[in-house]
Amino acid sequence: GESVGLHLPTLSVQEGDNSIINCAYSNSASDYFIWYKQESGKGPQFIIDIRSNMDKRQGQRVTVLLNKTVKHLSLQIAATQPGDSAVYFCAEWGNNRLAFGKGNQVVVIP
Amino acid sequence: DAMVIQNPRYQVTQFGKPVTLSCSQTLNHNVMYWYQQKSSQAPKLLFHYYDKDFNNEADTPDNFQSRRPNTSFCFLDIRSPGLGDAAMYLCATSRDWAGGYNEQFFGPGTRLTVL
Repeated sequence: GESVGLHLPTLSVQEGDNSIINCAYSNSASDYFIWYKQESGKGPQFIIDIRSNMDKRQGQRVTVLLNKTVKHLSLQIAATQPGDSAVYFCAEWGNNRLAFGKGNQVVVIP
Repeated sequence: DAMVIQNPRYQVTQFGKPVTLSCSQTLNHNVMYWYQQKSSQAPKLLFHYYDKDFNNEADTPDNFQSRRPNTSFCFLDIRSPGLGDAAMYLCATSRDWAGGYNEQFFGPGTRLTVL
């Protein structure tokens, strides 16, 4: 069968609180970044993206922050809801390909 | 209004028995991708098609093949599945192959079990 998976970093957050998920990317030449949300048994779903000429972008209840100096990307979710429980992946576009980072699991406590 | 459709959602095959997974898209995107995702891991790109041009990742085993007969459809063929090939297989599409146009739209995945 399938090999045993790795344990994902997990963020447990109370419903209604804000969540912050962090991602360190590896390629300083990457110029486009995406956050994906993946619920159990489903494919990744696009949440928000940001280009390297920006340091902040806001969506509905989500904000992505980009710090190119330290190659760090974060996703902030405001007023976290039970439906936000999922694994979140950052992805970077660089060297002509999209590379996914390790996932972060968010568990929302009602 | 599903945009990237994968069939079947669950596939069970026997060790060594060839299997084909299907993906279709209604987005008219140029690029179609196949990823393998194992439990608690990030998706791993196997290959992609830019239009009819096939691009294999260097570390994709020969056991994995793909076909894209037209813009809408792309197939993943696993010629002789091993136990280690049990995984979720994700199909994705994007409008183009370039930063900024590379938002990838994923299908729901096919969960492959190898007995």
